[in-house]
Amino acid sequence: EIVLTQSPDFQSVTPKEKVTITCRASQSIGSTLHWYQQKPGQSPRVLIKYASQSISGVPSRFSGSGSGTYFTLTINGLEAEDAAAYYCHHSSSLPQTFGQGTKVEIK
Amino acid sequence: QVQLQESGPGLVKPSETLSLTCSVSGGSINSYYCSWIRQTPGKGLEWIGYIYYSVSTKYNPSLESRVTISADTSKNQFSLRLSSVTAADTAVYYCATQASGWSPFDYWGQGSLVTVSS
Repeated sequence: EIVLTQSPDFQSVTPKEKVTITCRASQSIGSTLHWYQQKPGQSPRVLIKYASQSISGVPSRFSGSGSGTYFTLTINGLEAEDAAAYYCHHSSSLPQTFGQGTKVEIK
Repeated sequence: QVQLQESGPGLVKPSETLSLTCSVSGGSINSYYCSWIRQTPGKGLEWIGYIYYSVSTKYNPSLESRVTISADTSKNQFSLRLSSVTAADTAVYYCATQASGWSPFDYWGQGSLVTVSS
């Protein structure tokens, strides 16, 4: 099983700041890494697919990069509505797994 | 727009079988890899397994001995059965779809809280 480790677990950020969340895989997964946002009481929604591909309807302040074992999700100019938990997910092999999540709080 | 809706009992007794159904609208389950995913505060998001082409299945090895996922194409639904449940199976259960086995989970149900308790 491929383990995904996110960093940090929690981040308190001022609006308009840049946020960077990392996701490390225990072995190479190419670009089969996807990012999700989950707000309290809601289901996750995909933000970025295949490490860096944008999703229709997702604000352009969200971007992703990386390949192999190291990936990042960047929020350029945090907005109040971005308060949520963020998860990475790999689909490289079975079982598919998720990172443990990063909670982003607005100061 | 594809929409998914979970249904089933919210309370299951220990050692019994948890059963949930996911009703899909706006698309055919034959076109997707249809997954069950659960979420707990302690273990986070856990992929349980999927059914694809409505007949083939793959399960998480950690749950494989207790899990069955099946599909009813006439109703455009797929189902989860998890046997011999314990308190550790208490979770929010989501159904979700992927376009392929390598895709992200594009569509999710709203989630169904299942509590295992006597």
